[in-house]
Amino acid sequence: GNSVTQMEGPVTLSEEAFLTINCTYTATGYPSLFWYVQYPGEGLQLLLKATKADDKGSNKGFEATYRKETTSFHLEKGSVQVSDSAVYFCALTPYGNNRLAFGKGNQVVVIP
Amino acid sequence: DTGVSQDPRHKITKRGQNVTFRCDPISEHNRLYWYRQTLGQGPEFLTYFQNEAQLEKSRLLSNRFSAERPKGSFSTLEIQRTEQGDSAMYLCASSLEGANSPLHFGNGTRLTVT
Repeated sequence: GNSVTQMEGPVTLSEEAFLTINCTYTATGYPSLFWYVQYPGEGLQLLLKATKADDKGSNKGFEATYRKETTSFHLEKGSVQVSDSAVYFCALTPYGNNRLAFGKGNQVVVIP
Repeated sequence: DTGVSQDPRHKITKRGQNVTFRCDPISEHNRLYWYRQTLGQGPEFLTYFQNEAQLEKSRLLSNRFSAERPKGSFSTLEIQRTEQGDSAMYLCASSLEGANSPLHFGNGTRLTVT
């Protein structure tokens, strides 16, 4: 089946630190990969996406590269801000449809 | 683009009661999705519509749950004879047709069953 695995536990880091959130996936065919973000009190928002192997999605200083060989789509940001505090979800859609399968999410807390 | 709107934002109900939620998608989107999210988990797919046709339902969607999209615009999700295990955030999303079209989510309806 199609599934997404995110690293366990919340992530707490200081402002301007480097952020990495790991995401690996299992899917048949060639899925599209996404990162969604949920800010406190708000709905899920698309952060970035990649639709084929070696594509890099980027937005708001965040980046993730679609790695087919390692079935991964890790999210990175070089210098986080307090405003980046949110829950981040990795997700995929199987080839041929756009029904999302989500990981469990990671709470990111950035301390001033 | 006013985004996806959901109503109500919060619903508290007693076990055994019926509840109905409404979702208004982005107007030009022909696909509409319902997801359920419990605390500490990612959203789980429930069902989706293309226009007025319900094309897929998850095994999570028991026979107490029914969703409709009668005119291909807004949708309703009804839960009959609610149980405490139904307590969750119910999310609606919409998208254009196409494998890479991103989903746009509403802020959700939080259901608490007492």
